[in-house]
Amino acid sequence: GAGVSQSPSNKVTEKGKDVELRCDPISGHTALYWYRQSLGQGLEFLIYFQGNSAPDKSGLPSDRFSAERTGGSVSTLTIQRTQQEDSAVYLCASSAPWGLANEKLFFGSGTQLSVL
Amino acid sequence: DAKTTQPPSMDCAEGRAANLPCNHSTISGNEYVYWYRQIHSQGPQYIIHGLKNNETNEMASLIITEDRKSSTLILPHATLRDTAVYYCIVPINDYKLSFGAGTTVTVRA
Repeated sequence: GAGVSQSPSNKVTEKGKDVELRCDPISGHTALYWYRQSLGQGLEFLIYFQGNSAPDKSGLPSDRFSAERTGGSVSTLTIQRTQQEDSAVYLCASSAPWGLANEKLFFGSGTQLSVL
Repeated sequence: DAKTTQPPSMDCAEGRAANLPCNHSTISGNEYVYWYRQIHSQGPQYIIHGLKNNETNEMASLIITEDRKSSTLILPHATLRDTAVYYCIVPINDYKLSFGAGTTVTVRA
């Protein structure tokens, strides 16, 4: 596709359930990022992938959060035993592999997660 | 851990130029300045970036001071669709952008 695709666009779940959020980056982009944005707040960095490896997972809030990337393309963010404070918009972004010295991020439209 | 300072909000009249300031006094010699914007309910959108020279593209112009400690994003003819949060960013490292609070720009008819 032409841009970063995220699915689902909206997810409503009950507290304690597991959820999976999917990101399809732009073809050929080896760098992939997950950010989280709570209502009225700025973007919070979660994790960075270069290819299939994640050299920076420092933003994952707890061990309930995990992410993987396969084939250097699609990424899945999994939240186990969801809590109400996990409610937020989860944004995925991708970029070409040359690093941010002279490159830009392309963002998806995000997944709005609501934990009841 | 943002390296930039921006005013929290500003208003602009439709059709007029919008000048958005940003301070980045601790920027180092090889660090770029990036601008993104986020329209309500959408993901952030890249606008422009620069190192030391002024830059212009179809969306905006970026003016960077000679000492590189501040910059100004110029939207030459603001429209209602330019209402958004504008983020001025200096990357933390070669892969991570830290989005601060940004400037909420409201374009009024």
